[in-house]
Amino acid sequence: AQKVTQAQTEISVVEKEDVTLDCVYETRDTTYYLFWYKQPPSGELVFLIRRNSFDEQNEISGRYSWNFQKSTSSFNFTITASQVVDSAVYFCALSHRYTNNDMRFGAGTRLTVKP
Amino acid sequence: EAQVTQNPRYLITVTGKKLTVTCSQNMNHEYMSWYRQDPGLGLRQIYYSMNVEVTDKGDVPEGYKVSRKEKRNFPLILESPSPNQTSLYFCASSLAGQIEKNIQYFGAGTRLSVL
Repeated sequence: AQKVTQAQTEISVVEKEDVTLDCVYETRDTTYYLFWYKQPPSGELVFLIRRNSFDEQNEISGRYSWNFQKSTSSFNFTITASQVVDSAVYFCALSHRYTNNDMRFGAGTRLTVKP
Repeated sequence: EAQVTQNPRYLITVTGKKLTVTCSQNMNHEYMSWYRQDPGLGLRQIYYSMNVEVTDKGDVPEGYKVSRKEKRNFPLILESPSPNQTSLYFCASSLAGQIEKNIQYFGAGTRLSVL
């Protein structure tokens, strides 16, 4: 069975601090995909990143970076120099190689960035 | 602009009164799905559709119906809503169901309250 755990329910930081959101997953598949989505206060879900299980290279996009470690089944998300606009709920998700049908979401981490 | 549109965004209803939440996408996507989001549980899939006239149950289908008569539309029907269906609902679409090619794009969400 596939499972995603986001142990941090809520995180609060002050602007310009760095913050890491943890994501731990369980799967028996050797090929799978990992995702991060952002849900700002307006409610929509915004796609941030998708990572194939064969690609363990870390990725950086501006202030965002992702650390994928297969050995610890983790796909952590770091925001550098956080800003108030980063305040949102962030979801990590896991999906089987072939289909979107069994995508599993974590419970989400609510990040609040205070000015 | 490419988008997934859900209506209504907010809905308050009473137990037993049939309702429909509409979902439309303008990207010619084959795959569409419905999720519900509940605190502490993340998003869970209700139903999905691989193409016109092809639908199937997700993880939590009880109390819901869907139809896919046209490619662009995928309405969610609650024949007899109950309070435990109070939730935030998301419609999503992707080019096809095969995850290697596709990322799911989400609508803005529909917040439903059943009294």
